[in-house]
Amino acid sequence: DIVLTQSPGTLSLSPGDRVTLSCRASQTVSSNYLAWYQQKVGQAPRLLISAASSRAPGTPDRFSGSGSGTDFSLTIDRLEPEDFAVYFCQQYATSPLTFGGGTRVE
Amino acid sequence: QVQLVQSGSEVKKPGASVKVSCKASGYTFSDYGITWVRQAPGQGLTWMGWISSYSDNTNYAQNLHGRVIMTTDTSTNTAYMELRNLRSDDTAIYYCARNLSGDAFDVWGQGTVVTVSS
Repeated sequence: DIVLTQSPGTLSLSPGDRVTLSCRASQTVSSNYLAWYQQKVGQAPRLLISAASSRAPGTPDRFSGSGSGTDFSLTIDRLEPEDFAVYFCQQYATSPLTFGGGTRVE
Repeated sequence: QVQLVQSGSEVKKPGASVKVSCKASGYTFSDYGITWVRQAPGQGLTWMGWISSYSDNTNYAQNLHGRVIMTTDTSTNTAYMELRNLRSDDTAIYYCARNLSGDAFDVWGQGTVVTVSS
């Protein structure tokens, strides 16, 4: 199984800050089939980024994804109040599909 | 608009089964598959498996040890996930999500809380 490790576990930030979240895979994620999801308290996850860097429809352009192989990142420019949430990375290249443990942005 | 609406909360005893439904609307149901993901209280997300809505092909997570069955009903645009021989550690929120094979999950249901307790 591909293990995804997200760091850090929690980030304490302020509106307007720029943040980069990391997701490291235990083996190469083929075709960069790596997605990022945002989950707010009491809500279902929401797709932000697929294929490592493609924003999903409706994802604000302050969110950007990058990386390839085993190292991926999600950057949020100028944090807005509604961006405080938990962010999960997920690989969908290899079964079983796996998620990282999440990074909480508070 | 595209949406997935799941059935309501369930409380079950250990050893029982639960069947969660996921009704799709706003798109051609057979064009996409349905993935099931669960989230234990305060924990992360765990993939349970995927079913094609057009071929009924399935791909289940091995760690469910054959306890899960995923089905679809194209006449009602509804997907189902049945989990048998429930244990206390099956207590979780169960989500369905839409995706094409080999793609990310772009639309999610609202989640169904399943509580397993004696």
